[in-house]
Amino acid sequence: AQSVTQLDSHVSVSEGTPVLLRCNYSSSYSPSLFWYVQHPNKGLQLLLKYTSAATLVKGINGFEAEFKKSETSFHLTKPSAHMSDAAEYFCVVSDPTGGGADGLTFGKGTHLIIQP
Amino acid sequence: GAGVSQSPSNKVTEKGKDVELRCDPISGHTALYWYRQSLGQGLEFLIYFQGNSAPDKSGLPSDRFSAERTGGSVSTLTIQRTQQEDSAVYLCASSWNRDTYEQYFGPGTRLTVT
Repeated sequence: AQSVTQLDSHVSVSEGTPVLLRCNYSSSYSPSLFWYVQHPNKGLQLLLKYTSAATLVKGINGFEAEFKKSETSFHLTKPSAHMSDAAEYFCVVSDPTGGGADGLTFGKGTHLIIQP
Repeated sequence: GAGVSQSPSNKVTEKGKDVELRCDPISGHTALYWYRQSLGQGLEFLIYFQGNSAPDKSGLPSDRFSAERTGGSVSTLTIQRTQQEDSAVYLCASSWNRDTYEQYFGPGTRLTVT
C-alpha cells in the first residue's frame, strides 16, 4: 500500500521569499514521485517528477524537489516566490508494480498563498 | 499541440437525472484516466483505459457510474440517477501508455447536482 501526506493544507509566503511545501510518502516499493500544480479553474500541470534518477529534481518555473529516502520525503522548494505561483499543489506517489493510474495516489493538496 | 479537452466545462443537473461527461485525450495517447476532485479533497482515481479496455473498474464509486472509450480516443463517463454527493470536478488525463507516469490533465468538468 502507498500513501501521501502533505503536511500543510495552506502555506502563505511573501513575494520574493522562499517556498517550502512538504510531502511525506509511504510506499512498499521504490516509488516514483511527482508534484502537480493546479491554478484556479485550470487543469493539473506536472511540475516535476522523480523516477529513481538524480535525487534532486528540477522542474518548471524554478521549482525543485529533493527525494530523501531515509526521511521518506519529497519536499517542493523555490528560492523566490512570484505572485503567479499562487495555486494548489499536489504531491503524488506511484507504485511501479501497478503501472500507470492504478498506482497513483494523490495528496490532499497544499494551497499556496503569495502575499504582495 | 492540442491538450486534453473536456466537455462540458460546467454541468448543473437535478438529482436523479443522468449525465454524460466527455474527454478528448491528446492525439496518440493510448492511456486515459478519470479522476474526481471533491471540495477539500485530493484527487480520487476512478478508472483508466489502455486503448478501449478498462481492466479494473473497482475505483468507480458505485454502479451508477460507468465509462467507455471507443476508437482508442474519446471517452465518456456516465453517471446515472445523480445524487448530491456526486457534485465534484471530474478530471480526465491521458498519457502515452499505461506505463508512462506523466499524465496530462484536462481542465475538468464541474458537476453540480441540485
